[in-house]
Amino acid sequence: GAGVSQTPSNKVTEKGKYVELRCDPISGHTALYWYRQSLGQGPEFLIYFQGTGAADDSGLPNDRFFAVRPEGSVSTLKIQRTERGDSAVYLCASSYQLGQLANTGELFFGEGSRLTVL
Amino acid sequence: QKEVEQDPGPLSVPEGAIVSLNCTYSNSAFQYFMWYRQYSRKGPELLMYTYSSGNKEDGRFTAQVDKSSKYISLFIRDSQPSDSATYLCAMSKNGNKLVFGAGTILRVKS
Repeated sequence: GAGVSQTPSNKVTEKGKYVELRCDPISGHTALYWYRQSLGQGPEFLIYFQGTGAADDSGLPNDRFFAVRPEGSVSTLKIQRTERGDSAVYLCASSYQLGQLANTGELFFGEGSRLTVL
Repeated sequence: QKEVEQDPGPLSVPEGAIVSLNCTYSNSAFQYFMWYRQYSRKGPELLMYTYSSGNKEDGRFTAQVDKSSKYISLFIRDSQPSDSATYLCAMSKNGNKLVFGAGTILRVKS
């Protein structure tokens, strides 16, 4: 597709449930990033991938959060035992390659998956 | 204290005004500086990118970075109602991970 695609756009779940959020990056982009944006805040880094491997997962808040990118394209962010504090917009972004930020400053963001935990 | 501080606003200006948006930061290791614009329920999109200190101009937008003061600015000339959005400053140490400010809500009234 032309841009970064994220599904679902909205997800409402109950506390304690398991959630998967999917990201389909721009074709040909090898670097993929996950950010979380809480209401009234800027995006907060979670994890980024170069190809299939997680190059930096230091932003994942705890072991309930996990992300995979098994074939180096689509990525899934998985949240176990959801808590009300996990409610936020989860943004995915991609770039041509890791380190591309240094050349252009540009990450291409999707519209996000809005997660609400009741 | 957050690494990047940004006044959340909202900032309300009349059409045609010059807008000044600012961020301060605490980590001197930041060397890549960006401004992203985010419309409601959309993802951020890049507006301006500056490496290290200096000024950069693109149309109605000017970005300034003062590393000695740890202060960055975005100026918007001849502001338009379509400029109404949230403006996020962002910065990076190594070009791999962005640290964002909280964002400033801008409203341009016609």
